[in-house]
Order: sequence, then structure tokens, then C-alpha cells
Amino acid sequence: GDSVTQMEGPVTLSEEAFLTINCTYTATGYPSLFWYVQYPGEGLQLLLKATKADDKGSNKGFEATYRKETTSFHLEKGSVQVSDSAVYFCALSGVPAGGTSYGKLTFGQGTILTVHP
Amino acid sequence: EAQVTQNPRYLITVTGKKLTVTCSQNMNHEYMSWYRQDPGLGLRQIYYSMNVEVTDKGDVPEGYKVSRKEKRNFPLILESPSPNQTSLYFCASSLFAGMNTEAFFGQGTRLTVV
Repeated sequence: GDSVTQMEGPVTLSEEAFLTINCTYTATGYPSLFWYVQYPGEGLQLLLKATKADDKGSNKGFEATYRKETTSFHLEKGSVQVSDSAVYFCALSGVPAGGTSYGKLTFGQGTILTVHP
Repeated sequence: EAQVTQNPRYLITVTGKKLTVTCSQNMNHEYMSWYRQDPGLGLRQIYYSMNVEVTDKGDVPEGYKVSRKEKRNFPLILESPSPNQTSLYFCASSLFAGMNTEAFFGQGTRLTVV
């Protein structure tokens, strides 16, 4: 079945540092890929997405490129801020197979990011 | 304001005492689902609903029930809660059940079963 693997966390950075959170996936066909962010005490919200190979999703200074050849969707930001401290989830929505839900998101385990001033 | 509302936010209950977690969305979304979030496991889908009166099991449905009598509401029912259902629960909705559609999440319900 579909699966998503994120880099081990937590990640601690100083303000203005470069961020990379690795994400690789296993899925049949051509899934859509997402990064969701969860701020303390809140639900998840969509950060960015990419729906086909070589697409780049971007939002709030974050970027991720859909790499089919390496089955990866790594999240990057050039200069993090304290306000970026949150839990980041990589997720995919795949092609339906018999009996599985269409529209289901398969999540990685989440990466806790802490940014210090 | 477009939102998904869950209640309660926090709940402590005893083993075997039936409970319901409510979920309501005001965006006229067709697709709704429930996830549980556990450390090191990310979020896993419990149940989903394609539309009114259409529900189906997700990856971890054991011990849970749902209903979808109205488009906006999708309650999660634990008939006989057990300690292994202690978790953080999220309700989510999407315009429809498509691969590219954005999911909107509630703020979560932290459930403790003792």
C-alpha cells in the first residue's frame, strides 16, 4: 500500500537558518503530494502541494518539488523564523485501488521543527 | 468563516462508557473523514464519508462508528472505549473526494480513556 517516510526529528534551528525536511513516498501510479503544517494547539493546514512530476509547490517561503525519479518531495525554506516552529507532515493522495478510499491522505510521521531566536 | 468544528477539545473518560465526538463543517463539503494521530505514526484514517448516507472504513476502523445523516455533520462514536483508543482525533473535510483537493481540519479532540 501507499506509505510516506519523513526524516527523523525533532529539528532545531536558529532563526535565518536553511531548512530541509526530507520526505520520500511509495505509491502506485502518480499520487498528489502535500505538506501540511500543525501549529501548537491547532489542526493541520495545507502548506503547499504538487500534483504531477516536476511540479514545484510553494507558499510562505517554503518550497517542495515533486521528484518522481527519486519518489521524493523534500520541504525547504531558505531562512526560517521563530513563527515557523510547528509540526510538518508530508502526505500523499493516491490513485484508488479496489476497496481503498479515494481522497484519503496517507501521512508521514511528522517532523517537529523548533526555531530559536 | 470557513471552518471545521470539533467538540469537545479535551475528554477524559472511563473504559466502556460510550461517547460521541461531534464534527461540523460550514463549507458544503461532500467528503469528510476522521483521523487519529499517534506519536511516531502520523495520522491514520478511521472512517470516511463520500456524501450523505455514504460511509466506509478507513485504515483503522475497529472500535469506532460514524454516521452522516446531514451533509455538514459527521460524528465519531466510540461504543465501548478502551485505553488503546487514547489519542488525538481530527475531523477533516474536502470539497469532494479527489486526489488534488485540499483537506480542512478541525482543531482536534484529545481523548484519554482510563
